[in-house]
Amino acid sequence: QVQLVQSGAEVKKPGSSVKVSCKASGGTFSTYTMNWVRQAPGQGLEWMGGIITIFGATDYAQRFQGRVTITADESTSTAYMELGSLRSEDTAVYYCARGVGGDHRPLDYWGQGTLVTVSS
Amino acid sequence: QSALTQPASVSGSPGQSITISCSGTPSDVGGYNYVSWYQQHPGKAPKLMIYDVSKRPSGVSNRFSGSKSGNTASLTISGLQAEDEADYYCSSYTSSSTWVFGGGTKLTVL
Repeated sequence: QVQLVQSGAEVKKPGSSVKVSCKASGGTFSTYTMNWVRQAPGQGLEWMGGIITIFGATDYAQRFQGRVTITADESTSTAYMELGSLRSEDTAVYYCARGVGGDHRPLDYWGQGTLVTVSS
Repeated sequence: QSALTQPASVSGSPGQSITISCSGTPSDVGGYNYVSWYQQHPGKAPKLMIYDVSKRPSGVSNRFSGSKSGNTASLTISGLQAEDEADYYCSSYTSSSTWVFGGGTKLTVL
């Protein structure tokens, strides 16, 4: 049974950074592309970026380039998403979601989501 | 990369069929057969319903089907049921090796 378990909710100040983790179990982590998708309150889904875990190769959505870093630790089957220079508009639920077999594969399992609130 | 275009809302009565469209460009929907559809109930994580334009993951009802013509993909739900009421999002792989989502469609079962 594949599971993605994310870290807990965070409250951050504007200008700071947040790092969210996503621990995978029940599958072969090295075959994953781990993606990060966010959803602002009442809004739609927005793809932020992904990492091909076996290679450590990343792709990011242009609007997050330079502000987001996605990493993966194969030894613990955990992926991380760090977002810097936080602003109020970054308040959202952040999801990790896996694809298997390349960055073009669909997101078939999702984490439970992590609420990040940015507020002074 | 601009978001794919979906209708904001659709509705149908139990037992009817509805179709949700998803319009993109040759750089995403039109260029690849890597269109996915996700269902999201309030407060829940999205669930994959259709991938590679028309394939269903194991466990997804065959009432859900997908298709594509040119730069527009479609999701059809037949035999509408109350539990189908949710938000639906299309997504496509792009020429930039990224994913792009549609704005989402709220399905109301009357």
